[in-house]
Amino acid sequence: DIQMTQSPSTLSASVGDRVTITCRASQSISSWLAWYQQKPGKAPKLLIYKASGLESGVPSRFSGSGSGTEFTLTISSLQPDDFATYYCQQYNSYSPLTFGGGTKVEIK
Amino acid sequence: QVQLQESGPGLVKPSQTLSLTCAVSGGSISSGSYYWSWIRQPAGKGLEWIGRIYASGNTNYNPSLKSRVTMSVDTSKNQFSLKLSSVTAADTGVYYCARGGSNFDSWGQGTLVTVSS
Repeated sequence: DIQMTQSPSTLSASVGDRVTITCRASQSISSWLAWYQQKPGKAPKLLIYKASGLESGVPSRFSGSGSGTEFTLTISSLQPDDFATYYCQQYNSYSPLTFGGGTKVEIK
Repeated sequence: QVQLQESGPGLVKPSQTLSLTCAVSGGSISSGSYYWSWIRQPAGKGLEWIGRIYASGNTNYNPSLKSRVTMSVDTSKNQFSLKLSSVTAADTGVYYCARGGSNFDSWGQGTLVTVSS
């Protein structure tokens, strides 16, 4: 299995802050990486696909970058609606598709 | 816009089979080049992909669950299903159906399944 490791596991930030979350793959996954946002009691929501593609309807303050084994999700100016848990997911190999452990973005 | 809705028993006894169905609306399960997936999440934990199915019936399962998982599709009802056999408490969690077999762009709201006697 391709292991996905996110850091940090928890992040405390204030409204307006620039926030960066890192995701590392245990082997190269090219650009086959997605990012999701999940709020309590809700299903995950796709934010970014193919490492840097912005899903339709997602605010432009979200951006993704990276390739190979290291990826980042950046929120340029944190908004109140952005406090949530974020997951990365690789789809280079479907045997199996795997997610990172999540990063919880909390209010500072 | 496609919508997905999971349904099935919320309580399953240990050693029995968990059965869930995902109804798709707002689009045909047979149209487009989409796989349809099941993903689960134990309470307070991360996400685990269970497997995917194409409208043709072609499937791929997570190797860690493969011996216990069966997925099927009913194009006439525009729905797909999950069966997980020999369940234990470790199978307790929220089960989601989703559109996609690589990344997932539409999700159901999720259904909580508890394995307990």
